[in-house]
Amino acid sequence: NAGVMQNPRHLVRRRGQEARLRCSPMKGHSHVYWYRQLPEEGLKFMVYLQKENIIDESGMPKERFSAEFPKEGPSILRIQQVVRGDSAAYFCASSRMAGASEQYFGPGTRLTVT
Amino acid sequence: GQQVMQIPQYQHVQEGEDFTTYCNSSTTLSNIQWYKQRPGGHPVFLIQLVKSGEVKKQKRLTFQFGEAKKNSSLHITATQTTDVGTYFCAGGNAGNNRKLIWGLGTSLAVNP
Repeated sequence: NAGVMQNPRHLVRRRGQEARLRCSPMKGHSHVYWYRQLPEEGLKFMVYLQKENIIDESGMPKERFSAEFPKEGPSILRIQQVVRGDSAAYFCASSRMAGASEQYFGPGTRLTVT
Repeated sequence: GQQVMQIPQYQHVQEGEDFTTYCNSSTTLSNIQWYKQRPGGHPVFLIQLVKSGEVKKQKRLTFQFGEAKKNSSLHITATQTTDVGTYFCAGGNAGNNRKLIWGLGTSLAVNP
């Protein structure tokens, strides 16, 4: 019974490159959430998606960041033209039901921008 | 906007001492959830409370949801080194159930 899977676990990018983070939700879960966490800080909500739809992207920066959750395949968080300030841990979580139901987190992707 | 405040931000205790973290919302919550994140790990769901005044226990952990559904607490009795980590509360907005509103967490350190 696989949990939430994220890859890669660690990603190093140079400034200006693109970062693609992948998340496969738990089996039977159709709701996906992305969070960003800086060292020693809390979780910052970024975006909430359901299959093929963005439900809430109020936490996403207006530029360079995008997310999708296609009908087939994992959810993708894309960061274009990365800057040093994008270095953080990015967690994906999934839930079976909509909205404020319990969430199950993946192990995270640690992004380092050099 | 709606906020969930969590205190204290940090807590150091001696092993065997008790520990409590508090969560307060500016608005009524539909539910409250608690998560634990070990150092270097990811948040792990612990429990959800839904009813006003609800109390739930998991071994040495006691979770409470206030009567007004605006506050919650997590109490750990006789802490152990395995309790080390950051404890987050997250509340559902009673008016807009789209996403959880997260507290900033309480980091617990336990001295053996």
